[in-house]
Amino acid sequence: GIQVEQSPPDLILQEGANSTLRCNFSDSVNNLQWFHQNPWGQLINLFYIPSGTKQNGRLSATTVATERYSLLYISSSQTTDSGVYFCAVGPYNTNAGKSTFGDGTTLTVKP
Amino acid sequence: DAGVIQSPRHEVTEMGQEVTLRCKPISGHNSLFWYRQTMMRGLELLIYFNNNVPIDDSGMPEDRFSAKMPNASFSTLKIQPSEPRDSAVYFCASSLYESHEQFFGPGTRLTVL
Repeated sequence: GIQVEQSPPDLILQEGANSTLRCNFSDSVNNLQWFHQNPWGQLINLFYIPSGTKQNGRLSATTVATERYSLLYISSSQTTDSGVYFCAVGPYNTNAGKSTFGDGTTLTVKP
Repeated sequence: DAGVIQSPRHEVTEMGQEVTLRCKPISGHNSLFWYRQTMMRGLELLIYFNNNVPIDDSGMPEDRFSAKMPNASFSTLKIQPSEPRDSAVYFCASSLYESHEQFFGPGTRLTVL
């Protein structure tokens, strides 16, 4: 099956700093999502981005499907950004929406 | 609109007991997914349905696990008999088949003693 690799595994930032999280995948994809799992365990949709660039406030994401990676940018980080960020991808050879999750990046933002 | 609804939110049971987890997908969504999250294995897909039909159950760990979707607005995941190694957070997610964007419920934290 498709392999999903996220980096870095852990990231510690001071409030106000910027960061870039990366998701590499091993095959062509027809869907890609970024999620934030907050300290209470909720999985929150950030972006649905199989290709291109999207922005939502301080967060933006870019997927370069031909090179099999996606980036999540967090600017002016806040303590509420802490948690685990997951990338989930679905391979192109299925149309069923099935997704494989990476192991996540654990972000800690210190005040 | 209500999101994905799961119940119960927490379940504590003893080894050997039957456990039933419930999920109500977002109205209008036609794909439903059951995931399990543990520290050791991360988030893993157990089974998913399209239009109430199970499509891929290759992630179901063993015969003790079963899932049903009797209609478009309800699904169950059953574990019988439960074992301590089944302790995990179980998430249900739904999506529109055509768009593939999944939305997750709050999860059920299962503890098997």
